[in-house]
Amino acid sequence: GENVEQHPSTLSVQEGDSAVIKCTYSDSASNYFPWYKQELGKRPQLIIDIRSNVGEKKDQRIAVTLNKTAKHFSLHITETQPEDSAVYFCAAPWGGSTLGRLYFGRGTQLTVWP
Amino acid sequence: GAGVSQSPRYKVAKRGQDVALRCDPISGHVSLFWYQQALGQGPEFLTYFQNEAQLDKSGLPSDRFFAERPEGSVSTLKIQRTQQEDSAVYLCASSYRDRASRGNTIYFGEGSWLTVV
Repeated sequence: GENVEQHPSTLSVQEGDSAVIKCTYSDSASNYFPWYKQELGKRPQLIIDIRSNVGEKKDQRIAVTLNKTAKHFSLHITETQPEDSAVYFCAAPWGGSTLGRLYFGRGTQLTVWP
Repeated sequence: GAGVSQSPRYKVAKRGQDVALRCDPISGHVSLFWYQQALGQGPEFLTYFQNEAQLDKSGLPSDRFFAERPEGSVSTLKIQRTQQEDSAVYLCASSYRDRASRGNTIYFGEGSWLTVV
């Protein structure tokens, strides 16, 4: 199956700074890469995703970049705010015969200090 | 409904007790997933349904775990003879289409927090 590794496990930034979280995956057939934000005790919520036919996608302060050759993708948050503090998970599907199965990274605890 | 609904939200079970966790997916969603999330970890896949068909149950950790979706909507995850290592959040998720790998958004429920004592 897919192996998704995520770094760093914790990240502390000052309000207004940028934050970058990186993930690598193993299955070259993977073609869809979502990022989820999970606040304490809440459900994981999709914040952005990217498909393999593009290299970058932006949504206001959030962007995701994908390097298919190197099999890694990154989440970029600019102008961070305290409400960005949460655990962020990257995920990737297995492109093989298993349908619908997402493999998640272990998460990054982002803390934004005011 | 507005989102994926799960019940109970919190469950404390004595070791050896059977538990049943319910998931109401978003209306019309074909795909339904169960994930297990241990404290401080990412969600781990348990099983996947396309309508009423259980297409992948390779993530179920043992034969004590059983899931069903008999009418292609509501799903139940049953854990028999619970053990302490079963303590986790059980997340249900659904998506509209039949192949998540084609980039269809997966929506998660709030989860059922199971504590086995």
